[in-house]
Amino acid sequence: EPEVTQTPSHQVTQMGQEVILRCVPISNHLYFYWYRQILGQKVEFLVSFYNNEISEKSEIFDDQFSVERPDGSNFTLKIRSTKLEDSAMYFCASNLGFTYEQYFGPGTRLTVT
Amino acid sequence: GDSVTQMEGPVTLSEEAFLTINCTYTATGYPSLFWYVQYPGEGLQLLLKATKADDKGSNKGFEATYRKETTSFHLEKGSVQVSDSAVYFCALSQSGGYNKLIFGAGTRLAVHP
Repeated sequence: EPEVTQTPSHQVTQMGQEVILRCVPISNHLYFYWYRQILGQKVEFLVSFYNNEISEKSEIFDDQFSVERPDGSNFTLKIRSTKLEDSAMYFCASNLGFTYEQYFGPGTRLTVT
Repeated sequence: GDSVTQMEGPVTLSEEAFLTINCTYTATGYPSLFWYVQYPGEGLQLLLKATKADDKGSNKGFEATYRKETTSFHLEKGSVQVSDSAVYFCALSQSGGYNKLIFGAGTRLAVHP
């Protein structure tokens, strides 16, 4: 069964460093998403992406964040200068677009020290 | 804005007990409603969904009915198993499968033999 994959599973970085979280969505899906879950809190929407552009973003997704689909298979989330409060589990998801189901990856745990 | 409220956990049950996890929502219009499950160390998996009022979603013995009059989507299972131990998330999405998911806080279920 097709699945969304994410790498790395755990990333440790120092405050102020740039990180790139990588996702490979399901191959025929058209819509892509990033969510995050700070430990003990809700899963929060960050951004959705369709047709090579952002379709919606949340207040969390400020200028420090960016997304890209560089090669037609990967979908990346970049945080330019990480802060302690960026420590969270980051989930990628994808959707065929004509169903109501978003398929989630296993997540990347980001720890900012 | 739209929001989802779930009962707080953890919920601890013995095997074969009846499960109810309450979920209520606040939203404009007619959102679609979902239950996602997260097993330890894994990503979010769609458990069931309902896209209009009075619809019943069901999967793996779990059921939830979309009640517009009470703005609720409570999750039930008649006889839980140890393997059902996980975190359960209620979520909504405005019409269109590509729209962002808004999650509740999650309810941890622990089932003991």
